[in-house]
Amino acid sequence: KAGVTQTPRYLIKTRGQQVTLSCSPISGHRSVSWYQQTPGQGLQFLFEYFSETQRNKGNFPGRFSGRQFSNSRSEMNVSTLELGDSALYLCASSLFSGVGEQYFGPGTRLTVT
Amino acid sequence: GESVGLHLPTLSVQEGDNSIINCAYSNSASDYFIWYKQESGKGPQFIIDIRSNMDKRQGQRVTVLLNKTVKHLSLQIAATQPGDSAVYFCAETLTGTASKLTFGTGTRLQVTL
Repeated sequence: KAGVTQTPRYLIKTRGQQVTLSCSPISGHRSVSWYQQTPGQGLQFLFEYFSETQRNKGNFPGRFSGRQFSNSRSEMNVSTLELGDSALYLCASSLFSGVGEQYFGPGTRLTVT
Repeated sequence: GESVGLHLPTLSVQEGDNSIINCAYSNSASDYFIWYKQESGKGPQFIIDIRSNMDKRQGQRVTVLLNKTVKHLSLQIAATQPGDSAVYFCAETLTGTASKLTFGTGTRLQVTL
């Protein structure tokens, strides 16, 4: 069974631009969560989607948004990029929301210049 | 590979010795705890979990201990191998919100030959 895939793996953007990252969960998994990982703040929860609905949300500004499609694939969008948004963005999937093991993808490394 | 953290505490252990990685969690209401391993260039990988109604759980070469009184978790790795070299994170959550994990800062484990 294929693992969680994230595209692209690396991305360089300029301050003020917007970016969209994609996550394909493990087949059959319906919950997708997004995390931001930085050396300073560590791993922080962004949001979770289940059955195309946002179920949980972390403490991030409204510039960070996401969505989930009917096939459970998820995208996250960051608008008006800031230098501090440079991070590794990780996606994790699980069978259901709120229970069970989460499987992480390799992440998308976003660099904002 | 991806840099996980520049200033993580580091535990250096000789191959074959036992490793103990400690973690203080923040929320006394958390009732589900997980240890993750993150290797360079990869997303976190599930190692072992424990619920708050237990104080010890064993897996293959790993044991997790939970002390709710002082909000402390530890991960013990028996007969540490070079392949165990990675960054280890503890994570906490509440049952029902298991997709929303709060991660600790992480510990880098270096296995010397």
